[in-house]
Order: sequence, then C-alpha cells, then structure tokens
Amino acid sequence: KAGVTQTPRYLIKTRGQQVTLSCSPISGHRSVSWYQQTPGQGLQFLFEYFSETQRNKGNFPGRFSGRQFSNSRSEMNVSTLELGDSALYLCASTVSGSSGNTIYFGEGSWLTVV
Amino acid sequence: AQKVTQAQTEISVVEKEDVTLDCVYETRDTTYYLFWYKQPPSGELVFLIRRNSFDEQNEISGRYSWNFQKSTSSFNFTITASQVVDSAVYFCALSEAGNNNDMRFGAGTRLTVKP
Repeated sequence: KAGVTQTPRYLIKTRGQQVTLSCSPISGHRSVSWYQQTPGQGLQFLFEYFSETQRNKGNFPGRFSGRQFSNSRSEMNVSTLELGDSALYLCASTVSGSSGNTIYFGEGSWLTVV
Repeated sequence: AQKVTQAQTEISVVEKEDVTLDCVYETRDTTYYLFWYKQPPSGELVFLIRRNSFDEQNEISGRYSWNFQKSTSSFNFTITASQVVDSAVYFCALSEAGNNNDMRFGAGTRLTVKP
C-alpha cells in the first residue's frame, strides 16, 4: 500500500512569491492534515481537510490556505512568502478506527525562502 | 489546553545500551490519544504507536516498549539494546477526542546511538 506522497520534496522560493505543495494521502484515507516544522517552533498544526471541507484550522495567518479535491488529494498554498516560512511542511493521512485515529505522515516538502 | 513536554533534548548512548525517552502531557479531556513518532534525517515522521487514554496497558513491540501512566501523565518510550539505526529524533504527541488531527507535539528528543 503506497504511503503518503508529497511533492515537491525540495524547493526554493523568493520572498513575496507564492508556493503550492501537493499531498496524496494513503488510498482510502479521506482526511488530510498539514503541519509546519521549524527549528524554533517545532511541529505545528496548520489545517485539516475531510471530504473537501476544512474541518479544523491551526493558528496561522490567512496567507496559509489549503484545499482538498474529490479524490482526497490536497494542496496547500502560501502566498506572499516570508523568510520565516522556511520550513518542512508535512502532510498527514488519517485512518479512523473504532478506538481512534491513526495518523501517517509523508516525507514532507522542504521549503526555503530566500 | 493540551501540551506535551519532552524534557530531554538530546541523548547519546552506545550501541546495545537501553534508553528511555520521557514524555509528559497535559490535557483537560478525559478521552485523548498519545503517539510516538520517529523522524530520521529524511524528514518523514514514522508512526510507532498510538495509545488511547482508556487503555493503560503497557506495550512491547520487539525492542520497543511503552509505559503509559495516567497518574503521572507520562507516556515513556524505552528502546532495549539500542542500535545505530535507532538514531533519529523522536516525538511524542497528544490529540484530544473530537480534535483528533490537531496533534500537539513535544519538542522532540534527538537520540544518537554510537557504535
């Protein structure tokens, strides 16, 4: 069974640009979450999508947005990039069970803003 | 508010030593879930275990074992007979029922196992 797939793996952008990251969850998983990981702030929850609807949102500015498609693939977008947006962006795919959810992560997209 | 504390920033051991990674959590919910993830240099967070708040049984999986104690709000992780391949950053995380995918992570513990 394929895992969570994220593209691109590495990218470099300039301040003020925008970026779109893509995530394909594990087949059959309908929930996709996004996290940002930085050395200073650690791992922080961005948002979660389920059945094409944002179900939960972390404490990030409106420059961070996302969406989910009917095939459960998700994209996140960051507009007007700032140096502080340099981070590893991790996508997670969730499987729900009777005793709770198990969350699997992809390898992440390493974003550098210069 | 939910919070996870991993007090050990870095641990270094020699191969074959046992090592315990500490995790202390805070939550007001009575139903919650605790996780451990391993992050190698590649960046992927590898799922190791999920424990539900209503299940205090300890668990052993090969060289890995987990000790969940609600009385002390701790969920510690022990690696027995450590190996070089265990070198990674380990994260403990907490999610509350109804908010399952909004996980709060600890700061992580970097484990280095030397040959």
